[in-house]
Amino acid sequence: ETGVTQTPRHLVMGMTNKKSLKCEQHLGHNAMYWYKQSAKKPLELMFVYSLEERVENNSVPSRFSPECPNSSHLFLHLHTLQPEDSALYLCASSQGPSGTGDYEQYFGPGTRLTVT
Amino acid sequence: GIQVEQSPPDLILQEGANSTLRCNFSDSVNNLQWFHQNPWGQLINLFYIPSGTKQNGRLSATTVATERYSLLYISSSQTTDSGVYFCAVDSGGGADGLTFGKGTHLIIQP
Repeated sequence: ETGVTQTPRHLVMGMTNKKSLKCEQHLGHNAMYWYKQSAKKPLELMFVYSLEERVENNSVPSRFSPECPNSSHLFLHLHTLQPEDSALYLCASSQGPSGTGDYEQYFGPGTRLTVT
Repeated sequence: GIQVEQSPPDLILQEGANSTLRCNFSDSVNNLQWFHQNPWGQLINLFYIPSGTKQNGRLSATTVATERYSLLYISSSQTTDSGVYFCAVDSGGGADGLTFGKGTHLIIQP
């Protein structure tokens, strides 16, 4: 595998379910991100992890819970979601401030989530 | 936070035409990227260009950081160029997350 991968690619869940989205990067980066793309809104940043520590949480509801166990993996745990949370969830990675080179972000293919 | 405006929001062209997409941003940036989103949602990196000019085949981009805008040029358009083009910026110290514009929806007709 190369680049940034995400699983599952599609997910349908009920409002009472608990599910997790997984992201893995094979680029040797040390910063990872979750973004949300809704039908009516521009892409918006949800969470940033740099060196496995969360550095930003853009006022995201607590029903979204991120986890970054190491620099290559990022999870987004979902519970008691609402229908308006249906969206495309994109993961990205880049070098962090302590790395060398630039901060170009590379995105995974996304998970299309539908909440029923 | 930083504001990003893209224009035009929609653009319909015939195959073979040239186009210019614009991105204005409200503050200084240390990262500016152009992406093409394909119909399946994948964001494809076109350029990392916080300043200067770059070219890649039929595509080129210029960022004038002092005037806070960037331009994406597409020459000799092909139907496969259709899709949404996003400009995204980061005004922080690196690895702060990108702020995206609303995109330009480009349709290339045969």
